[in-house]
Amino acid sequence: EPEVTQTPSHQVTQMGQEVILRCVPISNHLYFYWYRQILGQKVEFLVSFYNNEISEKSEIFDDQFSVERPDGSNFTLKIRSTKLEDSAMYFCASSGLVLTGELFFGEGSRLTVL
Amino acid sequence: GIQVEQSPPDLILQEGANSTLRCNFSDSVNNLQWFHQNPWGQLINLFYIPSGTKQNGRLSATTVATERYSLLYISSSQTTDSGVYFCAYSGGSNYKLTFGKGTLLTVNP
Repeated sequence: EPEVTQTPSHQVTQMGQEVILRCVPISNHLYFYWYRQILGQKVEFLVSFYNNEISEKSEIFDDQFSVERPDGSNFTLKIRSTKLEDSAMYFCASSGLVLTGELFFGEGSRLTVL
Repeated sequence: GIQVEQSPPDLILQEGANSTLRCNFSDSVNNLQWFHQNPWGQLINLFYIPSGTKQNGRLSATTVATERYSLLYISSSQTTDSGVYFCAYSGGSNYKLTFGKGTLLTVNP
């Protein structure tokens, strides 16, 4: 069964460093998403991406964040200068359809900022 | 926006017991999914169920769209079922999934 894969599963970084989280969505999907979950809190929407551009972003997704689809398979989330409060689980998701399509989530990348 | 209420917030079971988790919505939804977050934080897709009933092994889910609720049934629970169960939904012109607060399930041996 096709699945969304994320790397790394866990990354530890120093405050102020740049981090890139990588995702390989399901191959024929067109819509891509990043979500975040701070420990003990809800899973929150960060950004959606379609046709090589951001279609929607939340207030959390400030100038420190960026997304990119550098080739036909990868979808990345970059945090430019990490802060302690960026420590969280980051989930990538993809969908073949908007509005009613099922979102398929990866298992997550845990980011720890020291 | 659409509001969701998950119940119960916490549930403790003995292994072998059955349970029902519930999501209530304030308005009609286009998409409804159930997820299990295991103790390691990984998010596992369980069901895509905007309406109707689906079963997968010991788990089944039912969404009654006209009455704005969805149920997740866990039968013969096992310790590996422990974790947080989330329902997530989208509705109206808003296509992104919004997650509920979750139900923390603990299954004791």
